[in-house]
Amino acid sequence: EIVLTQSPGTLSLSPGERATLSCRASQSSSSNLAWHQQKPGQAPRLLIYGASSRATGIPDRFSGSGSGTDFTLTISRLEPEDFAVYYCQQYGSSPYTFGQGTKLEIK
Amino acid sequence: QVQLVQSGAEVKKPGASVKVSCMASGYTFTNYHMHWVRQAPGQGLEWMGEINPTGGTTTSAQKFQGRVTMTRDTSTSTVYMELSSLRSEDTAVYYCVRGGYASGSVYWGQGTLVTVSS
Repeated sequence: EIVLTQSPGTLSLSPGERATLSCRASQSSSSNLAWHQQKPGQAPRLLIYGASSRATGIPDRFSGSGSGTDFTLTISRLEPEDFAVYYCQQYGSSPYTFGQGTKLEIK
Repeated sequence: QVQLVQSGAEVKKPGASVKVSCMASGYTFTNYHMHWVRQAPGQGLEWMGEINPTGGTTTSAQKFQGRVTMTRDTSTSTVYMELSSLRSEDTAVYYCVRGGYASGSVYWGQGTLVTVSS
């Protein structure tokens, strides 16, 4: 199975700053990589699919990049509502594994 | 609009089974696979398996093989996930997730808390 490793585990930033989250795969998942956002007490929601395409309704401050084994989620200017946990997930091969998550917290 | 409505919270004893339902609406039920993902308290997301509502074929993560059964009822657009031989480590929120990864149309149910305790 493909193991996804996210870094950092926790990222402390201030509103208005830029956030860069990383996801590394143990083997290639091509561009079959999604990013989900989860806020406390809520179900996750899809942000990015196909490594770089935004899901419907997702603001353009969120962007994804990468292919193969190295992927990045960038939030250009953090808004207060962006502080949450972010998970990457590969859907190129079963099982559709998740990374362990990056917690984005207010500094 | 797409809606996935899951059944309510459950409390089970070790060794028992639990069956969680997920009723879908707002789209053609047989057009999308349904996945099951769980999240233990304070932990990350874990993919359990998926079902193709058209033929009912399933794929599950090796960790759950032999313990998880996924079924569907096309007449009610409902999928079910049954987990047997429950242990305390199975305490988690269980989510159904409608597939559609290739088109970015992935939707999550609200989650069902399953507590396993003696």
